[in-house]
Amino acid sequence: SAVISQKPSRDICQRGTSLTIQCQVDSQVTMMFWYRQQPGQSLTLIATANQGSEATYESGFVIDKFPISRPNLTFSTLTVSNMSPEDSSIYLCSVTAGGGTDTQYFGPGTRLTVL
Amino acid sequence: GIQVEQSPPDLILQEGANSTLRCNFSDSVNNLQWFHQNPWGQLINLFYIPSGTKQNGRLSATTVATERYSLLYISSSQTTDSGVYFCAVDVGDDKIIFGKGTRLHILP
Repeated sequence: SAVISQKPSRDICQRGTSLTIQCQVDSQVTMMFWYRQQPGQSLTLIATANQGSEATYESGFVIDKFPISRPNLTFSTLTVSNMSPEDSSIYLCSVTAGGGTDTQYFGPGTRLTVL
Repeated sequence: GIQVEQSPPDLILQEGANSTLRCNFSDSVNNLQWFHQNPWGQLINLFYIPSGTKQNGRLSATTVATERYSLLYISSSQTTDSGVYFCAVDVGDDKIIFGKGTRLHILP
């Protein structure tokens, strides 16, 4: 299994500002994933972050809005830029366990409210 | 793309009752996982089950890959079972697609 921590756990931000969310894993992993969960909705994949290369974004998500860094095999950041109230969501990072299984483990999430 | 449908969308049960949650998917998948999201938002992986049956305490899951569905059984429900149950399928490159979930509320 993998133990994942995220910072901050929650934040309240003003419209037009940016917030950077950190994700730390207790073991080295090849791929990390960032998801968004809007209120009362399911999870939607934002992007896949591989160490040493540009993140791969899903349809509807762009790098200018959600820049991602992946400086090493245990850490990643997601920035939510120029925020609007529609960005109010839970943002979660996840990793694949590896070792012959594709089980995914999720961090506790960052609950973001944009006023 | 692949579609993942879960039913029922909402379920309210008395403590001690049993329940069956269903997940249908529209195409062949590499694997399927069941997650529980507790009221605080934490996602817990329950089962990694591309096919066959697995059991863990009061929970069990069965996936029939050839018929493109999976079932999650919860027996003797407890209030701590409340939350949202998601199934998610692997669409390649370790990317998973989530269903919309079943919201379960267990009454004491």
